[in-house]
Amino acid sequence: KNEVEQSPQNLTAQEGEFITINCSYSVGISALHWLQQHPGGGIVSLFMLSSGKKKHGRLIATINIQEKHSSLHITASHPRDSAVYICAVDHTGNQFYFGTGTSLTVIP
Amino acid sequence: SQTIHQWPATLVQPVGSPLSLECTVEGTSNPNLYWYRQAAGRGLQLLFYSVGIGQISSEVPQNLSASRPQDRQFILSSKKLLLSDSGFYLCAWSFQGRSPLHFGNGTRLTVT
Repeated sequence: KNEVEQSPQNLTAQEGEFITINCSYSVGISALHWLQQHPGGGIVSLFMLSSGKKKHGRLIATINIQEKHSSLHITASHPRDSAVYICAVDHTGNQFYFGTGTSLTVIP
Repeated sequence: SQTIHQWPATLVQPVGSPLSLECTVEGTSNPNLYWYRQAAGRGLQLLFYSVGIGQISSEVPQNLSASRPQDRQFILSSKKLLLSDSGFYLCAWSFQGRSPLHFGNGTRLTVT
């Protein structure tokens, strides 16, 4: 059993659509991270959150600690949002558990 | 500002040859440092992490090793590469529980 489960694994959307990616975890955490990996391989940190909600541009991340669930939303999706989105949880401060990622393709 | 450098970007090595990948962090002190591997179509696998100079924790026993000779330098090594060592290797840093994970650009290793 994986400590972090993401859904869906693959997602195709039309430009402009509202997108939601879900993440559930089974361990205690100090923080949850959303990461973006572009086709070239580089990984960028989008959000780090331990409660509530954070917004950056068209991206919104929420977390429900009691339910051990987080969502990443993309409003008005654009082809440049096409990437793999990875959920990671900080379990001990030294150890992170990662989901296997959601591959998003936004079609013009 | 903090930056992380990882090199080389790509590497093709024959089976049985040695390996040395280097990662350095600038603009911060005493970071936690990590080596991850990502096999094609799979998630990130933690190989090693370090909370200080000379302190290395191994998560996956295999023919790889890591060293941290300086506070902001993290090296991944192998004496003899296997075909199964092929993959995408990423170095990352964070402050314990207090910062996002910051990744290097990765090294794509192909063992032939």
